[in-house]
Amino acid sequence: KAGVTQTPRYLIKTRGQQVTLSCSPISGHRSVSWYQQTPGQGLQFLFEYFSETQRNKGNFPGRFSGRQFSNSRSEMNVSTLELGDSALYLCASSRLATYEQYFGPGTRLTVT
Amino acid sequence: GIQVEQSPPDLILQEGANSTLRCNFSDSVNNLQWFHQNPWGQLINLFYIPSGTKQNGRLSATTVATERYSLLYISSSQTTDSGVYFCAVERKRDDKIIFGKGTRLHILP
Repeated sequence: KAGVTQTPRYLIKTRGQQVTLSCSPISGHRSVSWYQQTPGQGLQFLFEYFSETQRNKGNFPGRFSGRQFSNSRSEMNVSTLELGDSALYLCASSRLATYEQYFGPGTRLTVT
Repeated sequence: GIQVEQSPPDLILQEGANSTLRCNFSDSVNNLQWFHQNPWGQLINLFYIPSGTKQNGRLSATTVATERYSLLYISSSQTTDSGVYFCAVERKRDDKIIFGKGTRLHILP
């Protein structure tokens, strides 16, 4: 069974631009969660989607948004990028909500 | 909010040594996972262990939910065990996932 895939793997953007990251979960998994990892703040929960509905949200500004499609694939969007948004963005999928999570390889975003 | 504390923060061991990593959490949780993050950033599942003990080869884990801690044991360490080990808990009151800051393990050949 294929693992969680994320695209793109690397991205360089300029401050003020917006970016969209994509995540394809393991086949049969209906929950997708997003995390931001930085050296200073560690791994922080962004949001979780289950059956196309946002089930949970972390403490991030409204510039961070996401959605999930009927095939469980998910996208997250960051608008008006700031230098502090430079991070590794990780996506995880699980068969059900509140269940064992499997992570993708991440997208490394650099904002200049 | 819930605190997830991992100890020690850093650990340097010789190949072949055994180690115990600890994860303390301050509130009731639905479940707990241990992950290993390799040098390329990939988080690899080690254990999904809301309670009890599990073993997988040289690794084992024990969670005592009533006392709010979990332990990860690594026996006969190999250089490939190097990396950062994270524990993550799902907070009972709102199902959010909270990660600890990790234990950085360096195994010397």
